[in-house]
Amino acid sequence: SQQGEEDPQALSIQEGENATMNCSYKTSINNLQWYRQNSGRGLVHLILIRSNEREKHSGRLRVTLDTSKKSSSLLITASRAADTASYFCATESNTGKLIFGQGTTLQVKP
Amino acid sequence: NAGVMQNPRHLVRRRGQEARLRCSPMKGHSHVYWYRQLPEEGLKFMVYLQKENIIDESGMPKERFSAEFPKEGPSILRIQQVVRGDSAAYFCASSPSGQSYGYTFGSGTRLTVV
Repeated sequence: SQQGEEDPQALSIQEGENATMNCSYKTSINNLQWYRQNSGRGLVHLILIRSNEREKHSGRLRVTLDTSKKSSSLLITASRAADTASYFCATESNTGKLIFGQGTTLQVKP
Repeated sequence: NAGVMQNPRHLVRRRGQEARLRCSPMKGHSHVYWYRQLPEEGLKFMVYLQKENIIDESGMPKERFSAEFPKEGPSILRIQQVVRGDSAAYFCASSPSGQSYGYTFGSGTRLTVV
C-alpha cells in the first residue's frame, strides 16, 4: 500500500512565485526523499532528509521534516517554467525499499 | 558514467506473450530495485535484488512475474502471459549499497499490452 499522501494533487502558479508541496507518511522511516518526474520521463532525485534532520536546503529547494507529525514539505522558491513536473515524496525503509506518495503535479506558467 | 540503463524504452506485447525488461545498474552498483508506475499514479515497489539474490520481493505479484540479477549481465524483469493490466511504466533504480543517499533511476520501459 502507498505510505505517502501528498497534497495538493495539483498546483498551478505563476513564474516567480513559491510552490509548497506537503507529504504525510505512516510508519517510521530512515529518511525521506523528494523526486521530480517530467512527463514521460524517469525520476530525478532532488533531496534527501534523514530522520534526525529537521530542515535541509539545496539551491531553490527547502525541505522540512516533522517526525512527530510524520510529515514533510518541499518548498520551491522563485519558480521557473522549467520546474513544471510531478513531484513525489518517498520514504525509505530499513531494506532500502522506497514507498512513494501519489505525487503533486506542478504547473508553472510563464 | 552512463547512469542506469533500461531497455527497451517502449515495448508492445499482445495478450499472452512474454515481456522481458532489462536494467543495467550504474557502474559499481550491486543493488537493483524495480518499480511499476500506473498512469497518473506514483511508483510502487516490486522487488529488490543484489547480485544473484532476491532480497525483498514483497511487491511482486504472485504469478507471472519474476526477476533476476545474475552475476554477469543486466537485471531482468520477466512478465509471462501478459494481460492488459500489466500496461505500465517499469522503472529500475540502483545503489552501491543497501543504504541510500538518493537513488538513480533509469528512464523506464513503457509496456503496452494490446
